[in-house]
Amino acid sequence: DIQMTQSPSTLSASVGDRVTITCRASQSISSWLAWYQQKPGKAPKLLIYKASSLESGVPSRFSGSGSGTEFTLTISSLQPDDFATYYCQQYNSYSRLTFGGGTKVEIK
Amino acid sequence: EVQLVQSGAEVKKPGESLRISCQGSGYSFTSYWISWVRQMPGKGLEWMGRIDPSDSYTNYSPSFQGHVTISADKSISTAYLQWSSLKASDTAMYYCARQDSGSFYYWGQGTLVTVSS
Repeated sequence: DIQMTQSPSTLSASVGDRVTITCRASQSISSWLAWYQQKPGKAPKLLIYKASSLESGVPSRFSGSGSGTEFTLTISSLQPDDFATYYCQQYNSYSRLTFGGGTKVEIK
Repeated sequence: EVQLVQSGAEVKKPGESLRISCQGSGYSFTSYWISWVRQMPGKGLEWMGRIDPSDSYTNYSPSFQGHVTISADKSISTAYLQWSSLKASDTAMYYCARQDSGSFYYWGQGTLVTVSS
């Protein structure tokens, strides 16, 4: 199976900071990558699909980039509502999906 | 409005069996695959497997193959996740999610399963 490695696992940042989270795939997944935000006690929320397509209703401060094996999620100016855990997920094969280990964005 | 509504929290003893459910509404249930995702306490998301409700064809993650069974009843727009013999390590939150191409926009609210003697 394709392994997804996220870094860092924890990130401390302040409101207004630019934040970047990295996700690496163990083999090429083209652009078949999604990003999710999860808050405690809640189901994940889809932010980005196909590596860089912003889901409807998601603020434009979120952006995704990359292809092949290296991907990034960027929050251009961190807002109080953005403190959460973020996961990448590959769907190179619809029958073999995998998530990254997660990145917790904490208040500095 | 698309909704996935999961069954309520369960408390079980090791060795017991369990089936939890996920009922879809607001869309054609047979047009989208349903996946199950595990989240152990304080841990990340793990894809367990998926079912095509139109024909009940399933795929499982190697990590879960043989440990759980995914099924569906399209007549009542419901997918299921089932264990024949629970272990303490099955304690987790379980989410169902509708697979839109490969990503998940619609999620259930989660079912907390606690296995303890």
